[in-house]
Amino acid sequence: ELKVEQNPLFLSMQEGKNYTIYCNYSTTSDRLYWYRQDPGKSLESLFVLLSNGAVKQEGRLMASLDTKARLSTLHITAAVHDLSATYFCAVDIDNYGGSQGNLIFGKGTKLSVKP
Amino acid sequence: DGGITQSPKYLFRKEGQNVTLSCEQNLNHDAMYWYRQDPGQGLRLIYYSQIVNDFQKGDIAEGYSVSREKKESFPLTVTSAQKNPTAFYLCASSIWHAGDTQYFGPGTRLTVL
Repeated sequence: ELKVEQNPLFLSMQEGKNYTIYCNYSTTSDRLYWYRQDPGKSLESLFVLLSNGAVKQEGRLMASLDTKARLSTLHITAAVHDLSATYFCAVDIDNYGGSQGNLIFGKGTKLSVKP
Repeated sequence: DGGITQSPKYLFRKEGQNVTLSCEQNLNHDAMYWYRQDPGQGLRLIYYSQIVNDFQKGDIAEGYSVSREKKESFPLTVTSAQKNPTAFYLCASSIWHAGDTQYFGPGTRLTVL
């Protein structure tokens, strides 16, 4: 059974600081997704990582994927209050060599950026 | 504008009732999905459908049913057999190939009274 673990689950940080959220998963996959969720809202796609060594950046967020270590990171640079949200990673089960589109989500990291 | 719509936004159900949640997309996506989210938790897959008239159970299908009669519509029925249905329900859709992003609707919050 595929397990996806995020840490930390809660993160309180000051504006201007850097931090990294980690996403570990327990079985082979080379497709990993990061989503953002604001309170009471739906999920917004941030990054799609499709191969070992993939790195993507958007503004103050950068995501990377190491399929050998089964690890993805979401790095926050010089945090601002607008980044306060819950961040989810999700891993695509690779079923018989093809994607079934069955995403397994981590529990999410609730980020609070304080002035 | 292309997107995914879900209705209603809020739904209250009495115990023993079946209720149906609507999900419509005009993105011309082949695949559609239903997830359930409980407070402080990630999403769990209920059902998904790759093409019209076909769907597959996800991890927590018991107590739920779906249909896919049209490409753009994927309604979810929460039956009385679902013992703990209070949750936030999210519908998503994607192009059907490996690596495509799933796009999510705004969600329906179901509360059992």
